[in-house]
Amino acid sequence: AQTVTQSQPEMSVQEAETVTLSCTYDTSESNYYLFWYKQPPSRQMILVIRQEAYKQQNATENRFSVNFQKAAKSFSLKISDSQLGDTAMYFCAFTNFGNEKLTFGTGTRLTIIP
Amino acid sequence: DAMVIQNPRYQVTQFGKPVTLSCSQTLNHNVMYWYQQKSSQAPKLLFHYYDKDFNNEADTPDNFQSRRPNTSFCFLDIRSPGLGDAAMYLCATSRGVEGPQHFGDGTRLSIL
Repeated sequence: AQTVTQSQPEMSVQEAETVTLSCTYDTSESNYYLFWYKQPPSRQMILVIRQEAYKQQNATENRFSVNFQKAAKSFSLKISDSQLGDTAMYFCAFTNFGNEKLTFGTGTRLTIIP
Repeated sequence: DAMVIQNPRYQVTQFGKPVTLSCSQTLNHNVMYWYQQKSSQAPKLLFHYYDKDFNNEADTPDNFQSRRPNTSFCFLDIRSPGLGDAAMYLCATSRGVEGPQHFGDGTRLSIL
């Protein structure tokens, strides 16, 4: 069975700083997808970034980038120039290629301090 | 804008009184999911439809059922809600196995 581990239950950083959220996963598959989802307080869960395991290049979306280390089974999210709107719960998630079901980590609650 | 819409945002029901939560989508996605999320926890998949095929998770209580009358709509029925069923219920959709999941705003269910 696949597992996703987020070892940081809570983090806080000052506005405009850079923060990195950790995620490790365990799978015996070679083809899979990894995701970071953001869930602001009382708001919709939205996709932040997606990485295909067969792509060596790290995905980026504006201020959000990942460090994907396939051999180490690590998938960290870096948020640059953090903004107050980045305050949210962040979930790392995994799905095998050909499987529509997501396995979520336990989440990291990120607070951006003004 | 194409989206996933859940109604109502907040639902209060009495212990043991059946309740139905609804989800609709304008994305024309063929897969629809229902999750239960308790405070500060990860979403827990209850079941999903791949087209018309219903897939129930092994640990989903029998109390929870779902209907998908057409591509756009999906319903979550809780036949006899208990206090432990109070939670946020999230609906999500995806385009097959390749697409990421798109979530609705959720319905927060309270049990009196």
